[in-house]
Amino acid sequence: QVQLVESGGDVVQPGTSLRLSCAASGFTLSSYAMHWVRQAPGEGLEWVAALWYDGTKQYYADSVQGRFIISRDISKNTVYLQMNSLRVEDTAIYYCARCPPTDWFFDLWGRGTLALVSS
Amino acid sequence: ETVLTQSPVTLSLSPGERATLSCRASQSISKYLAWYQQKPGQAPRLLIYDASNRATGIPARFSGSGSGTDFTLTISSLEPEDFAVYYCQQRKNWPPLTFGGGTKVEIK
Repeated sequence: QVQLVESGGDVVQPGTSLRLSCAASGFTLSSYAMHWVRQAPGEGLEWVAALWYDGTKQYYADSVQGRFIISRDISKNTVYLQMNSLRVEDTAIYYCARCPPTDWFFDLWGRGTLALVSS
Repeated sequence: ETVLTQSPVTLSLSPGERATLSCRASQSISKYLAWYQQKPGQAPRLLIYDASNRATGIPARFSGSGSGTDFTLTISSLEPEDFAVYYCQQRKNWPPLTFGGGTKVEIK
């Protein structure tokens, strides 16, 4: 079954770190670009980060540049989002999403995982 | 950054009616616009890509049109399951990829 399953969301304090995981099944990561998109409570969608299909390039939103890192482990068919120096405004549901290699629309989404940053 | 403005914010219609949703880009994005549907508690679902191509499994009542800066998503006859929030997204000018603020289609 082709799917994405996120995990790792938690309640954390500002300034701390969190690592989200996205396990892919039914397809191989090396054939697709992978992204993280977030949605703050009651708000719209915000693109966060992207990893090129061959794993050679990463792109980030200005709001997370220098704090978040997207990576993958091909052997585990899993994508990660390492989130450092977390802020209250990073509170959101984080979705993992797949794009065709060079056509960046999201054709498969996970169900999301909630990261809540609160003191 | 390419800003996408969706209108209206809320659309109140009855089942069977036609829904017309708009997405306007702050600069030309050619045909590179996608539409997504999101229901409460669920992830978004791809409906339309490259302005007018229906994604796999999407009913024919959903159609997209437009190019450049003005785009439209049309639902020809609303079914009960179509009441949801709809987002547009551009992939022409990135990073960043950007989304519109959403249009909520609610039951009148």
